[in-house]
Formats: sequence, C-alpha cells, structure tokens
Amino acid sequence: NAGVTQTPKFQVLKTGQSMTLQCAQDMNHNSMYWYRQDPGMGLRLIYYSASEGTTDKGEVPNGYNVSRLNKREFSLRLESAAPSQTSVYFCASRSQGGAGELFFGEGSRLTVL
Amino acid sequence: AQSVAQPEDQVNVAEGNPLTVKCTYSVSGNPYLFWYVQYPNRGLQFLLKYITGDNLVKGSYGFEAEFNKSQTSFHLKKPSALVSDSALYFCAVRPLYNTDKLIFGTGTRLQVFP
Repeated sequence: NAGVTQTPKFQVLKTGQSMTLQCAQDMNHNSMYWYRQDPGMGLRLIYYSASEGTTDKGEVPNGYNVSRLNKREFSLRLESAAPSQTSVYFCASRSQGGAGELFFGEGSRLTVL
Repeated sequence: AQSVAQPEDQVNVAEGNPLTVKCTYSVSGNPYLFWYVQYPNRGLQFLLKYITGDNLVKGSYGFEAEFNKSQTSFHLKKPSALVSDSALYFCAVRPLYNTDKLIFGTGTRLQVFP
C-alpha cells in the first residue's frame, strides 16, 4: 500500500551541486507531477508527464530537468543548485480521468546553502 | 488570468463549533474543484471534489464543500470541528480544457482550539 514514494526525504546541497529526486508510484497512473511548496505561495508546478515518454513544463521549470523513466518512475534533477531552489518538493500522480484526484508523496525537503 | 484565492491565511475555531474555510476561483468554464489537507511534515491528502450535480459535496473526515456557481466559490465546511482537524487546507481548480493543469490556492491554516 505504498502509493507515491519519494527519496530522499531530506537533502542539503551547496550552491552549484547537482542532485536527483526520485519518485515512484505503484497505482498504475499515467500522469505524474513535480511541485514545489514555498511558504505563502501554495504549490507550484515544475514539470509534469501525462504519459510514459512525454514531459511538459509547468509554471516554474527553470533550473530543473525531469525524466519519465517508465510508467512508475518520474525523477527531478537539479543540475546546478541555487539557494532559490531551497524548498519542499512533492511528487504526485493522478488517477484516471479528467476529474481524477492527485496522490502525493511525503515530500523532499531540500536546502541549498 | 486563472487563479484560486483563499482569502484567509488562518482560521481559528473552538472545538465543537462549525468551521468554514473559504475559496473563490477565476477560471473560465465549469472547472473541477478540489480540497486537499496537509498535516505537518506530510504530503497533501485528497478530501473531496466537485464534478457536477449537487452543489453540496461530502468528503472524508466529515468535511463537506458547497459549490456556488454565481459566486465562483467552493467553501469547505464541517458542522463540528475537532482538534485533530488542525492542518493546512488547499483549494485547487482544474480547467476542463486542460485536465493536466491543477491550480492551487495559497492555503489556509486551520487551528482548532480545545
């Protein structure tokens, strides 16, 4: 009964370092998403993938790249981390249909020094 | 521009009293409407959604939400608040013309006092 699993839960980086956040879902969902959550700003969409093999930019894609490795896995990469990328990152997947709700992972707290 | 507004950063209510968390939206057409809840250090959890039909939608944990088309609002309600309802609540809207896009409000912190 795992749902959406994200790793790591916590990470501290220095400016300029790179890292990848991993996300996997076991619900056979087609659509997967990466959001960032910052105080007072709600959730902002970074990238999403409507199906295996496709990815699209969201509201705040700059400084990030994604890979939809297969139907289960959707990773988010920071090539050269900046302090402005300090945030909590959430992966989500969506149940089928236009009205399908999102299922979220527990979040990854990233601090860039 | 499409947007979702949650006008109150925080709502305080005494345990046992009714609660309302407000949400209004500005999205063309008849969108799908959602409420999510976030407990400390956790991901968001789905509470309820409005697709079509009855304007009063019932969801998890005794919550309900009232859709008002003329006021473009989707307020979250509960008849009797519990201390355990204290959390961060997000309203979200999905346009029918772009079902991959979900627009979130900035969140309202609900504090229920014993």
